[in-house]
Amino acid sequence: DTEVTQTPKHLVMGMTNKKSLKCEQHMGHRAMYWYKQKAKKPPELMFVYSYEKLSINESVPSRFSPECPNSSLLNLHLHALQPEDSALYLCASTAGHRNTEAFFGQGTRLTVV
Amino acid sequence: QQQVKQSPQSLIVQKGGISIINCAYENTAFDYFPWYQQFPGKGPALLIAIRPDVSEKKEGRFTISFNKSAKQFSLHIMDSQPGDSATYFCAASMQGGSEKLVFGKGTKLTVNP
Repeated sequence: DTEVTQTPKHLVMGMTNKKSLKCEQHMGHRAMYWYKQKAKKPPELMFVYSYEKLSINESVPSRFSPECPNSSLLNLHLHALQPEDSALYLCASTAGHRNTEAFFGQGTRLTVV
Repeated sequence: QQQVKQSPQSLIVQKGGISIINCAYENTAFDYFPWYQQFPGKGPALLIAIRPDVSEKKEGRFTISFNKSAKQFSLHIMDSQPGDSATYFCAASMQGGSEKLVFGKGTKLTVNP
C-alpha cells in the first residue's frame, strides 16, 4: 500500500468555522508533511513532522494548527481562516525525514467563504 | 539561492514528439533532484529522480539529464502521449532527502492527439 489518504476531498467553510483536515498513511513512514498549493503554483511547505514531533514550521499563521496523534495520522486544524487561504492542501509522507521519495495524497480542496 | 528555475511555463507537443522541460538551480548543496507529475485535482506523484553522481537516468519514456557544472537538469519525455498531459514540477533538496523540497514553478504540458 503506497497510498496517502486525505479526507475530506472538498471542504467549504466560513471564516468563523473550525474544521480539520485528516491524513493517513500505512507505509510505516516516519515523516509527514503539510503543503499548501494555490492554483497554477507549486506546492509550498507548511509543516513537517518527524517521528511524531514537529520539526519544521514554515512561519505558518496560527490559524493553522497541525497535530500528529501517531505515526500514521496527521491532522490540520483550521480556525478563523481567510478567503485567501482557499487552496489545495496536500499531505505527504516519507520513510524518514532524510529519505527520498515523498508520497503525496490527493489533497483537500478548501474554499473559505 | 534556494530557487529552482523551470522553463517553459507551458508546452504543447504533438503525439509521438519529444517533450523537454528544463530546470536550473544555484545552490550547490542540492543533492537530490526529483520530477513530479500532477494531474488536475490530484496530488503530485514522483516520476523520476536523480542524484548528482550520475549524468542521466532513464525510466521507460522518461529521462533526466543532469549537468552538474552548469547546475541544470532536464526532463525528456519520448514518444509523448495525450495521457502525459499534466503539470510537471522539478524540485531539489539537500542532504539526499525530501524534507524541504524546493519546487520549480511548473510546466503545463499538453500533448495533442
